[in-house]
Amino acid sequence: DVKVTQSSRYLVKRTGEKVFLECVQDMDHENMFWYRQDPGLGLRLIYFSYDVKMKEKGDIPEGYSVSREKKERFSLILESASTNQTSMYLCASTPRPLQGATNEKLFFGSGTQLSVL
Amino acid sequence: DQQVKQNSPSLSVQEGRISILNCDYTNSMFDYFLWYKKYPAEGPTFLISISSIKDKNEDGRFTVFLNKSAKHLSLHIVPSQPGDSAVYFCAASADNYGQNFVFGPGTRLSVLP
Repeated sequence: DVKVTQSSRYLVKRTGEKVFLECVQDMDHENMFWYRQDPGLGLRLIYFSYDVKMKEKGDIPEGYSVSREKKERFSLILESASTNQTSMYLCASTPRPLQGATNEKLFFGSGTQLSVL
Repeated sequence: DQQVKQNSPSLSVQEGRISILNCDYTNSMFDYFLWYKKYPAEGPTFLISISSIKDKNEDGRFTVFLNKSAKHLSLHIVPSQPGDSAVYFCAASADNYGQNFVFGPGTRLSVLP
C-alpha cells in the first residue's frame, strides 16, 4: 500500500513563527501536493511539485513556500505564520501515469491540524 | 468562482436507504472525476472515479453517474451504513498527468441507525 506520512498530526504555533510541515511518500511517486482544508471551502491547492527541485504554485500560494530536495519528501514552509493559516494541511502524491494509462488518483496523508495563536 | 460545486453542505439518510450526493462543475475541459471520503482528523481516502468516456461506474455499494451535457455527477450509496457517515468530496481533473485536481467544498453525510 502507498504510504504518505505527515510528520505531525497536531501543531500549535505563535504568530510570526516559521513553520515547517514535512511529508514523505514511499512509492516513488513523481507528483506531490500540499492542500489546505477549511470548512465550506473544500481542499485548496497551495503548491505542487512534479519532480525533484521543481515546484508550481497552486491556487493559494501566498504566505507559503515549498521544498523538494528529494523525490520522496515535500516540505511546506510558512515563512511567518498568521492566524488565518490555522487549518488542516494535507499532503498527497500521485505517480505520473504512462501515456494512455487511466488517470491516477491522489494518495493523501493523515493531515496536520495547525493552530496559529 | 468555484469550478466544482457541491450545493448540499449536509445530508441525513436512514440506514439501509439510498444516499445520493451531487456535484456540479463548470469547466467543460474536465475529463476525469473522483469521489473521496474523509473522516474527522484523517486524510481523504479514494472512493471511486469515472472518466468522461463513461456515464456510469460501479464498485460494490458505490455508483457514480456522469451527465456531461449537464456537467453533473452524482454518487449513489446503496444501502447506506452508519460507517458511511463522513464528508464526501467531489474532485475533477483537466489533464492526464494527475497534477491539477479541483475539489468541491464537500457534503457531510450522516447515516442514522
